[in-house]
Amino acid sequence: KQEVTQIPAALSVPEGENLVLNCSFTDSAIYNLQWFRQDPGKGLTSLLLIQSSQREQTSGRLNASLDKSSGRSTLYIAASQPGDSATYLCAVLKGGYNKLIFGAGTRLAVHP
Amino acid sequence: GAVVSQHPSRVICKSGTSVKIECRSLDFQATTMFWYRQFPKQSLMLMATSNEGSKATYEQGVEKDKFLINHASLTLSTLTVTSAHPEDSSFYICSARDSGASGGLLDTQYFGPGTRLTVL
Repeated sequence: KQEVTQIPAALSVPEGENLVLNCSFTDSAIYNLQWFRQDPGKGLTSLLLIQSSQREQTSGRLNASLDKSSGRSTLYIAASQPGDSATYLCAVLKGGYNKLIFGAGTRLAVHP
Repeated sequence: GAVVSQHPSRVICKSGTSVKIECRSLDFQATTMFWYRQFPKQSLMLMATSNEGSKATYEQGVEKDKFLINHASLTLSTLTVTSAHPEDSSFYICSARDSGASGGLLDTQYFGPGTRLTVL
């Protein structure tokens, strides 16, 4: 059974810091991995999608890496801003089942 | 970009009543939609996979007779919570796959904004 774990569960940092959010999964047979952002009481916004054959994806200040063999992904946020405050979820898509398995998320607070 | 809407965004109902939640893909066709439930400070848990024109596939532990899913068209799936009870209070989120996409985009799920259900 695929399990997705995110560390840390919560993070509070001052504005301007570079951050690393971690995601690990137990079954390396994944099709892709996605990072999402969720604001309180809202739906999900897709940030980055990494196919299983890829090692990383970048979008603006965000960079996500994938090491499928070790079952790990990291989301790097450069020069954090208060507007980055949200919950960040990682999810893996298991090939053949078309199901996204989510981690519990990292709640990020960036204070001015 | 692909947009998924949900209606209503928020609903409060009395225990024992039924509530219907709609999920629509606004600018693409979706043969497959997914329904998730999220409890406070917890992650999304997949409840069921909704396939257009066929019966939904429910995850283990999800009561199919309580959570009725209908996917009658390529742009609309509905989730009906029957005889709702306070323990059904949760945030329900749907997602949809773009049937017309190709390559890696075929596996991308687009998420709706969610529906907050409160059962009194």
